[in-house]
Amino acid sequence: ETGVTQSPTHLIKTRGQQVTLRCSSQSGHNTVSWYQQALGQGPQFIFQYYREEENGRGNFPPRFSGLQFPNYSSELNVNALELDDSALYLCASSLGRGETQYFGPGTRLLVL
Amino acid sequence: GQNIDQPTEMTATEGAIVQINCTYQTSGFNGLFWYQQHAGEAPTFLSYNVLDGLEEKGRFSSFLSRSKGYSYLLLKELQMKDSASYLCAVRDSNYQLIWGAGTKLIIKP
Repeated sequence: ETGVTQSPTHLIKTRGQQVTLRCSSQSGHNTVSWYQQALGQGPQFIFQYYREEENGRGNFPPRFSGLQFPNYSSELNVNALELDDSALYLCASSLGRGETQYFGPGTRLLVL
Repeated sequence: GQNIDQPTEMTATEGAIVQINCTYQTSGFNGLFWYQQHAGEAPTFLSYNVLDGLEEKGRFSSFLSRSKGYSYLLLKELQMKDSASYLCAVRDSNYQLIWGAGTKLIIKP
């Protein structure tokens, strides 16, 4: 059984660019949650997908968007990147919307 | 608003016991989680409490008091590898996780 995987591991972009981050959920998990974690802070909830539909969203602007595919893998898209978007982006999958979440290794994004 | 409070940093000695506290105020409560996060890595699940009382899992135990909005994580027989940040998270009425900023635990020989 494979765990949660994310790609890429590291990414450098410039302000104004767009980025797509990818996540493959753990086998059997139908729910994916995305988080942004700044250095020294706890994860901030971006949104959650359950069976291909958005199931809750945190306090992030519309330029943060996502998608979940039929195999339950997911993408996080961020448009018009800003310097403050530099952070660790974590994806977590779970068996259901309220179940324990298991995290991938994260994507570290640096916006210059 | 929703709020989760944990101490920013704690120091303990190898072989000793340490208790990390977490207090919360959230819109609804559907369980409390503790995660461990080593520097530069993803959080890993440690424990889950939904009913009052103590849950023990090896060297780690977690306690919950819903009436007081309080939990603690107890780590026994500390090892150097326990040096990490410990994150408290509450599942709210929408079944979303609200996270504390984490407690950085430093273990000294």
